[in-house]
Parts: sequence; C-alpha cells; structure tokens
Amino acid sequence: AQKVTQAQTEISVVEKEDVTLDCVYETRDTTYYLFWYKQPPSGELVFLIRRNSFDEQNEISGRYSWNFQKSTSSFNFTITASQVVDSAVYFCALTTDSWGKFQFGAGTQVVVTP
Amino acid sequence: NAGVTQTPKFQVLKTGQSMTLQCAQDMNHNSMYWYRQDPGMGLRLIYYSASEGTTDKGEVPNGYNVSRLNKREFSLRLESAAPSQTSVYFCASIKAGGLPRYNEQFFGPGTRLTVL
Repeated sequence: AQKVTQAQTEISVVEKEDVTLDCVYETRDTTYYLFWYKQPPSGELVFLIRRNSFDEQNEISGRYSWNFQKSTSSFNFTITASQVVDSAVYFCALTTDSWGKFQFGAGTQVVVTP
Repeated sequence: NAGVTQTPKFQVLKTGQSMTLQCAQDMNHNSMYWYRQDPGMGLRLIYYSASEGTTDKGEVPNGYNVSRLNKREFSLRLESAAPSQTSVYFCASIKAGGLPRYNEQFFGPGTRLTVL
C-alpha cells in the first residue's frame, strides 16, 4: 500500500521568508512518480512538478525548488523569498499504478503575510 | 480547449435525495477520476475509469456510482445522499500518450456539495 505524509498542517511566514514543505512517502514499488500540486484560495488544482523514482536530481524553477531523497523517502518543496501569491494549500502525491491512480497527502496550508 | 469541466459548481441536497455530478474533458485523455476533498484529508479517490468502458473502485466508493458515458464524459451519482457526503468533488483526467503513470492529472474546478 502507498502512503504520503505531509506532517505540516499549516505554515505561516512573512513575505520574503523561505518556506520548506515536507513530504514523506511509502511504497514497496521501485518505480513510482511523485508530484506536487498547488491549490490557491480559488480552489483549482495546479500541477507544479513531476519526478520519477530513478531521477534524484534536485530541480529549481524560479523561486521553487524540490529536493528528492530516496534514502529518506522524501520529496520536499521549498519556496524561496515567499510572496503573498504563494498562499495556498500544497499537496504531494504518489503514483505507482499504470493507470495513474494517485495517493495524495493531506496537504499543507501556506499562509504568507505582507 | 476547456480542459476538464464539471457541473454543477455548487449543490445543496437534502438527505436521501439523489443527484449526478457531470464531468467532461476535451483533451482526448484515456483515464478519468473522481475524488472528494475533505478538510485535513487531502484528495481521496472515489472511482476511476482507466479507459472508455471500464470503471473501478478507489479508496472511498461506498455510496457512489459512476458511468463512463464515452471517452469524454465521466459522471458520478449519489443515489441517496447523506450528510457524510458533504464535500468538494473533483474530476480529473490523465494526458493521453505514453504510460499514464508518467503524466500529471488535470483537474476540473470542483463541485461543492452540501447535504443537509
């Protein structure tokens, strides 16, 4: 069985601070994919990144960066120099299924205040 | 390209009433999914359809039925609504081409359902 744990329920920061969201996953499969989604207050789900289990390279996209560590089964997400527009719920998700069934974490609410 | 569309956006039901949530995608995706989102629980899979003509149960299927009407449309039916089904419902689909597991899911805007 797969499991995704986002232990942080809510993180509050002041604008320009960095914020790191933790994601720990469990799976017995050797091939799997991890994802991060953003859900702003408007409610839609926005895809941020996909990472496969064979690629442990960290990735940076603008102010966003991701740290994938198989040794600790973690796929953490950092927002550098946070902005108010980063306020949202962020979900980590895992799939090992060829039909793309996702297991989502409970989500982390990020609140950025000016 | 509308992407994934859902109707209605909001609905209030009384206990015992039935209703169908509609979902359609215009991206030629093969697989479609229904999730519910409850506070503190993330998104939980209700049912999915790997391809036209097939449907399978997800994590929380009780109280729901689905129909994959054609490649574009995937509906979710509540036969006898209960207050425990108060939730936000999301439909999603997977990009066609290659293995589905490699692709991100595209989500609809959601349906906010309240059962009194």
